[in-house]
Amino acid sequence: GENVEQHPSTLSVQEGDSAVIKCTYSDSASNYFPWYKQELGKRPQLIIDIRSNVGEKKDQRIAVTLNKTAKHFSLHITETQPEDSAVYFCAASAHGSSNTGKLIFGQGTTLQVKP
Amino acid sequence: DAGVIQSPRHEVTEMGQEVTLRCKPISGHDYLFWYRQTMMRGLELLIYFNNNVPIDDSGMPEDRFSAKMPNASFSTLKIQPSEPRDSAVYFCASSPGLAGGQNEQFFGPGTRLTVL
Repeated sequence: GENVEQHPSTLSVQEGDSAVIKCTYSDSASNYFPWYKQELGKRPQLIIDIRSNVGEKKDQRIAVTLNKTAKHFSLHITETQPEDSAVYFCAASAHGSSNTGKLIFGQGTTLQVKP
Repeated sequence: DAGVIQSPRHEVTEMGQEVTLRCKPISGHDYLFWYRQTMMRGLELLIYFNNNVPIDDSGMPEDRFSAKMPNASFSTLKIQPSEPRDSAVYFCASSPGLAGGQNEQFFGPGTRLTVL
């Protein structure tokens, strides 16, 4: 069935370093790939997304890359800051036989940025 | 817009009691999703609706769980009878719909449920 695998499950970096989180998906019809950030005790919030007609998208210190052939996409955070510490979820749109609006979420990555 | 609204924010109940969680989606959104989040299982989709109609309830863990959406501005998730293993944070999310590929989901603040 539809599946999204996310790695690593935990990631610890020094402030100022880069962080990379990777996801693979199984549904070849997926065409929308959002990333959500969830701070402790808060709701998941969208930070960046990419659609299958582009290979890379940037927004200040964050970027997402997509390789549709290999069915994987990655989140890159540069110049990390302590406020980047959170759980990050990747997701892929689920289609099956039609475009359903459903998202399949990865298991989450806990990012810790040490000052 | 106030965003997705959920109530209550916290619920503590005893095993065997009925629990009802409530959600008001963002006005104009066609899709509504119920998720459960725990440390062990992460973020799980329980059920989702399109234009008030349940589309996929394969994530509902068992018959003790039920969800309704009587109109476009209100949905409930009910657990009867509740069990300690139901303790989790329950999120409601809504999405504008698929016109133009609008899959983005907006999450509510969640309801933290504790079943003793």
